[in-house]
Amino acid sequence: GAGVSQSPSNKVTEKGKDVELRCDPISGHTALYWYRQSLGQGLEFLIYFQGNSAPDKSGLPSDRFSAERTGGSVSTLTIQRTQQEDSAVYLCASSLARGQGHGYTFGSGTRLTVV
Amino acid sequence: KNEVEQSPQNLTAQEGEFITINCSYSVGISALHWLQQHPGGGIVSLFMLSSGKKKHGRLIATINIQEKHSSLHITASHPRDSAVYICAVTSNQFYFGTGTSLTVIP
Repeated sequence: GAGVSQSPSNKVTEKGKDVELRCDPISGHTALYWYRQSLGQGLEFLIYFQGNSAPDKSGLPSDRFSAERTGGSVSTLTIQRTQQEDSAVYLCASSLARGQGHGYTFGSGTRLTVV
Repeated sequence: KNEVEQSPQNLTAQEGEFITINCSYSVGISALHWLQQHPGGGIVSLFMLSSGKKKHGRLIATINIQEKHSSLHITASHPRDSAVYICAVTSNQFYFGTGTSLTVIP
């Protein structure tokens, strides 16, 4: 597709359940980023992929969060044993490579609600 | 037509100049964000606004809900301010502007 695709667009889950969020970046974009925006908060960096490897996982808030990227393309963010504080909009972005000269394209986000 | 329009696309300024970046949007929003893409590649959130004005150091962000317009101002600009500045709005989803690439020359 022409843009970054995220699915699902909305997800309501019960506390304690696991969820998987998917990001399909622009074809050829080697860099992929996950961010989240919790209610009333700014954008928070979670993890960065270059190809299939994740050189920067510094933003993952706990060991319940993990992410993988296969084939240098689709990425999945998994949250295990969800908690109410995990409720947020999860955003994915991709770029040709990391660095100022390469613009980001963002997906429209997955709104996660943990009840 | 993009839901979020930024201007200018590129901006070069001398150190010390007052800088303004503009953002207009066409959708109803719950919040507007100003983001900075640092030269290292990461993105950080500078401001989140739903009304009025916010100030953080040399950065000031304003929003006019009626006019659907926001501005980001940088006072006493410095070369370390060189970055891409992105305007984004939260509606039923996120909409992003294409960014303003700022270069501040010593």
